[in-house]
Amino acid sequence: EPEVTQTPSHQVTQMGQEVILRCVPISNHLYFYWYRQILGQKVEFLVSFYNNEISEKSEIFDDQFSVERPDGSNFTLKIRSTKLEDSAMYFCASSDMTVYNEQFFGPGTRLTVL
Amino acid sequence: SQQGEEDPQALSIQEGENATMNCSYKTSINNLQWYRQNSGRGLVHLILIRSNEREKHSGRLRVTLDTSKKSSSLLITASRAADTASYFCAPANAGGTSYGKLTFGQGTILTVHP
Repeated sequence: EPEVTQTPSHQVTQMGQEVILRCVPISNHLYFYWYRQILGQKVEFLVSFYNNEISEKSEIFDDQFSVERPDGSNFTLKIRSTKLEDSAMYFCASSDMTVYNEQFFGPGTRLTVL
Repeated sequence: SQQGEEDPQALSIQEGENATMNCSYKTSINNLQWYRQNSGRGLVHLILIRSNEREKHSGRLRVTLDTSKKSSSLLITASRAADTASYFCAPANAGGTSYGKLTFGQGTILTVHP
């Protein structure tokens, strides 16, 4: 069964460093998402992406964040200058052509900012 | 996109018993989805029920939807220890341009004791 994959599973970085989280969505899906979950808190929407551009973003998704689909298979989330409060699990998700269909989530990348 | 509110916050049962979780939402929906999250892992889509459906089954899962009361319930029959997880509902708004964004609540933490 197709699945969303994410790498790395765990990333440790120093405050102020740039990180890139990678995702490979399900191949025929066209809608892509990033969510994050701070330990013990709710899963929060960050951004949605369709047709090579951002469709919607949350207040969390400020200028420090960017997304890209560089090669037709990968979907990346970049945090330019990490802060301590960026420590969280980051989940990628994808869905097929019908916007309201279910989203398939990856296993997540645990980001730890020291 | 609106947030669903799950109830109860926590549910503890014995293996073999049924578990019922409820979800309430505020505005008209296109569909409502239920997800499961095992501790620290990604979300797994369980079932999607559309606004014109009243009940849907998938294996040991039964979901009902009452649009007049703006509520849904998820029933897990003959529960197993492996069902221990957090369960979330995600209502998808009717109309609008939410591009599939899901808004998660705190969820119901289900513990099934062997």
